[in-house]
Amino acid sequence: DAGVTQSPTHLIKTRGQQVTLRCSPKSGHDTVSWYQQALGQGPQFIFQYYEEEERQRGNFPDRFSGHQFPNYSSELNVNALLLGDSALYLCASSPTGVSYEQYFGPGTRLTVT
Amino acid sequence: DAKTTQPTSMDCAEGRAANLPCNHSTISGNEYVYWYRQIHSQGPQYIIHGLKNNETNEMASLIITEDRKSSTLILPHATLRDTAVYYCIVMEAGANSKLTFGKGITLSVRP
Repeated sequence: DAGVTQSPTHLIKTRGQQVTLRCSPKSGHDTVSWYQQALGQGPQFIFQYYEEEERQRGNFPDRFSGHQFPNYSSELNVNALLLGDSALYLCASSPTGVSYEQYFGPGTRLTVT
Repeated sequence: DAKTTQPTSMDCAEGRAANLPCNHSTISGNEYVYWYRQIHSQGPQYIIHGLKNNETNEMASLIITEDRKSSTLILPHATLRDTAVYYCIVMEAGANSKLTFGKGITLSVRP
């Protein structure tokens, strides 16, 4: 079992650009959550996807959007990048009804210059 | 906002027990206490959770006070690989539960 995988590992973008990050959940998991972790801080919840729909959302602007595919994989899109979007983006998956025990991927390190 | 308070850091000697405290004085009756840890350059990892009874698994033990206003995560025989940031999280158990992380406590295990 490969666990949760994310791509790419690292990414450098320029202010104003758009970025797409990808996540494949652990086998058997159908719920995917995304988190943003700034340096020295704990992860902050962005949103959660289940059955291809956004089920819950944290306090993030509409520039952050997502998608879940029929195979449960997910994408996080960020438009009009700001310097403050530089962070580690973590994807977590969980099986139906057990969202407290989330399995995290290694994250994508996004740097905005 | 996180509903828990934890010390910023602590250390312990390898092979000794590490006792990590957490205060959650505003916890409600249907909220559980969860612990995650994050080893450097990795994503967070679930450790254990409990409601009011003490819990133990292969990784750790969780002791929750009778009034449920605080808890302690115990790593019985800490190793160097246990050096990490440990997060105490209070949350309702449910399908839509989201994890709200604070800054956590940095545990350093010294040789």
